[in-house]
Amino acid sequence: EAQVTQNPRYLITVTGKKLTVTCSQNMNHEYMSWYRQDPGLGLRQIYYSMNVEVTDKGDVPEGYKVSRKEKRNFPLILESPSPNQTSLYFCASRPQESDEQFFGPGTRLTVL
Amino acid sequence: DQQVKQNSPSLSVQEGRISILNCDYTNSMFDYFLWYKKYPAEGPTFLISISSIKDKNEDGRFTVFLNKSAKHLSLHIVPSQPGDSAVYFCAVFMDSNYQLIWGAGTKLIIKP
Repeated sequence: EAQVTQNPRYLITVTGKKLTVTCSQNMNHEYMSWYRQDPGLGLRQIYYSMNVEVTDKGDVPEGYKVSRKEKRNFPLILESPSPNQTSLYFCASRPQESDEQFFGPGTRLTVL
Repeated sequence: DQQVKQNSPSLSVQEGRISILNCDYTNSMFDYFLWYKKYPAEGPTFLISISSIKDKNEDGRFTVFLNKSAKHLSLHIVPSQPGDSAVYFCAVFMDSNYQLIWGAGTKLIIKP
């Protein structure tokens, strides 16, 4: 089944404790992206990647890191999480020639 | 300043009637306009799109209208069904930078 998977789905952590949210897609898509969704703000892009080893900042990259060592994986790293990073996070992918993105199920992160 | 606005946070429609969701944008350079649907605890799923060279695109019960002079996009759902109850996001895309910019979403409730 073609899909985008994220792990974990739910995470409660404390300020300053490094964490990684994994994202994997099995559709051989070149483009991958991370978003956060907050009430009244829609989805805001954190980082995106056009292909392996190519990453760029989105609208709200502060406090986040990403890497794209393999085509299928695009982990989101929070080196020192803070409470303002409490949010719902979505990973997405799409093929280069399409504007339709496929989304993962989301990761709800709470930073205490 | 928000580039994409969905001014109605929620909309309630009787089953069988037409649902009209609206979206306004500020930049006339956007190339593609998309609608995504989101159920609770799931990632957004692509619904329908339109390119800037068209003014209407239809897919079954869903029709998207684009008024470029007014910088306005709308999604019509006819007839509305209970399964259409979800949050609808409009998103815009520019060929030159590959980034999707999202509206805040409109929660559609279909009443039986």
